[in-house]
Amino acid sequence: AQSVTQLDSQVPVFEEAPVELRCNYSSSVSVYLFWYVQYPNQGLQLLLKYLSGSTLVKGINGFEAEFNKSQTSFHLRKPSVHISDTAEYFCAVSDAGGTSYGKLTFGQGTILTVHP
Amino acid sequence: DGGITQSPKYLFRKEGQNVTLSCEQNLNHDAMYWYRQDPGQGLRLIYYSQIVNDFQKGDIAEGYSVSREKKESFPLTVTSAQKNPTAFYLCASSTYMAEQYFGPGTRLTVL
Repeated sequence: AQSVTQLDSQVPVFEEAPVELRCNYSSSVSVYLFWYVQYPNQGLQLLLKYLSGSTLVKGINGFEAEFNKSQTSFHLRKPSVHISDTAEYFCAVSDAGGTSYGKLTFGQGTILTVHP
Repeated sequence: DGGITQSPKYLFRKEGQNVTLSCEQNLNHDAMYWYRQDPGQGLRLIYYSQIVNDFQKGDIAEGYSVSREKKESFPLTVTSAQKNPTAFYLCASSTYMAEQYFGPGTRLTVL
């Protein structure tokens, strides 16, 4: 079984400041990792994913994340946020071995609020 | 354009009534999924299907039912046995071992 913990339920930040949204996971097998963004009353949009290879992954809208296997973390970062980044962000994990056919386990979400 | 559609966007039902939520995809994906979202709880998997005419229970399947008669369609029925059905429901699809693509969601309110 896998689990995901997003360490902050809410993160307030001022516009143009850097931000880090933290995600830790637990799994007994190799994993794929994802970050999704959700704007109010909408579906989820993929920001970035880690499947293999370089541990630093770049995504859309200037976001990046680093996979740290020893610390079982996949933190999301952006060097300078905009008002439009205000949304809820979800970290998710799936079993890379394929036994669960890509089922995702989600964290509880982090609400990022960017203030002017 | 390829994508996932869910209808309706908002749905109101009286307590004790069954209701069916629609999910259609034209991405030619084999796998489809239904999630329930409640504030502060992330997304929880209700049912998933890897192939037509086959589906498996997720973590919170009680009070829900699904069918997968066509590759493009994966409707979810919320039955009267579901004790707290008011929630935001999200449908997703994917190819094997790839990222999931999500629909816009249906907000169900039971009065």
